[in-house]
Amino acid sequence: NAGVTQTPKFQVLKTGQSMTLQCAQDMNHNSMYWYRQDPGMGLRLIYYSASEGTTDKGEVPNGYNVSRLNKREFSLRLESAAPSQTSVYFCASSERVGRADQPQHFGDGTRLSIL
Amino acid sequence: GNSVTQMEGPVTLSEEAFLTINCTYTATGYPSLFWYVQYPGEGLQLLLKATKADDKGSNKGFEATYRKETTSFHLEKGSVQVSDSAVYFCALSEGTNAGKSTFGDGTTLTVKP
Repeated sequence: NAGVTQTPKFQVLKTGQSMTLQCAQDMNHNSMYWYRQDPGMGLRLIYYSASEGTTDKGEVPNGYNVSRLNKREFSLRLESAAPSQTSVYFCASSERVGRADQPQHFGDGTRLSIL
Repeated sequence: GNSVTQMEGPVTLSEEAFLTINCTYTATGYPSLFWYVQYPGEGLQLLLKATKADDKGSNKGFEATYRKETTSFHLEKGSVQVSDSAVYFCALSEGTNAGKSTFGDGTTLTVKP
């Protein structure tokens, strides 16, 4: 049972470079999320997708774009990386809208450093 | 809007000590409440949940009771082990809002032998 798979696990970029973080889930979940985790700041929601074909901004969307490629995959793109985007990025999924009793399932994260 | 406030850490305990991590919440409706655990180098994983008032969630010796009157969901364990060292997150979720959850800032627990 793979669950939520994120690639890559580690990445170092130079300021101004671009990259795409990949996420895929095999649980047939409808909703998917991207978070960043910074020391002392908990988890902050960047973007989410309630269902295939829809995406919405979270708390901290500036500097990021997302694509819900299909039901399984949800990618996060940094167009022009900045040192402030150095963080650990987590992808998560949940069953569907309206099911408050269902938890989110998380990947193991991508550790991104921007020099 | 919704919010979750957790006991600030870090918390350091000796093995076999009693653990309490406090969590209080603010929500507009009737949320479900969760505790997640994050081990070093890993993502968050569900530890336990409660979906309505007075429910008790339990798993791996951890327990938490959904207290609507005090808007609290405190995490407890009677005897901690070194392997319980991790970061613990309290969270809530409501049926609206695309199933989004609101997370606390996390509490780091270190258990010493």
